[in-house]
Amino acid sequence: AQSVAQPEDQVNVAEGNPLTVKCTYSVSGNPYLFWYVQYPNRGLQFLLKYITGDNLVKGSYGFEAEFNKSQTSFHLKKPSALVSDSALYFCAVRALTTDSWGKFQFGAGTQVVVTP
Amino acid sequence: DGGITQSPKYLFRKEGQNVTLSCEQNLNHDAMYWYRQDPGQGLRLIYYSQIVNDFQKGDIAEGYSVSREKKESFPLTVTSAQKNPTAFYLCASSIRGAEVNEQYFGPGTRLTVT
Repeated sequence: AQSVAQPEDQVNVAEGNPLTVKCTYSVSGNPYLFWYVQYPNRGLQFLLKYITGDNLVKGSYGFEAEFNKSQTSFHLKKPSALVSDSALYFCAVRALTTDSWGKFQFGAGTQVVVTP
Repeated sequence: DGGITQSPKYLFRKEGQNVTLSCEQNLNHDAMYWYRQDPGQGLRLIYYSQIVNDFQKGDIAEGYSVSREKKESFPLTVTSAQKNPTAFYLCASSIRGAEVNEQYFGPGTRLTVT
């Protein structure tokens, strides 16, 4: 079975400071990892994904994420946070196994609050 | 929110009534999904469909039903058997058969049952 953990319910950061949102995963095959962002009362928007290759993935709005196979982590990062980055962030995993084909497993979400 | 529409945005129903949530996509995606979102619980999969006329139960299918008669449409019915139907419901779609591809989400429907 696959699972995703986002250990922090909320992350607080001052505008201009680096932002990190943590994600760890567990799968029984090669992981395909995704980050999404959700603004209040809206659907999820795709930010970036890791499939294979370079462990550092760059995505939308200045976000990037680092895949670490030994630590089974895929942390989301932004060098300089903006107030507009305040939102709910979800990590998700998909694994290429016959019993979970087509299904995403989402983490519980991390609320990011960026203060001016 | 891409090419996925969900209607209505807000829906109010009395307890004991069935209600159907609409989801339409013009992305030509084969796979479609329904999720339920509750505060602090992330997204939970209700049903998913990989192709027309086929669908599978997700993790919390009890009290819900779906149909997939057309590629672009995947309506969800919340039946009176669903014990706690008040939630935010999200529809998504993706390219089938390629786990590398992300899902695209609709704007969601907030259902309130009293």
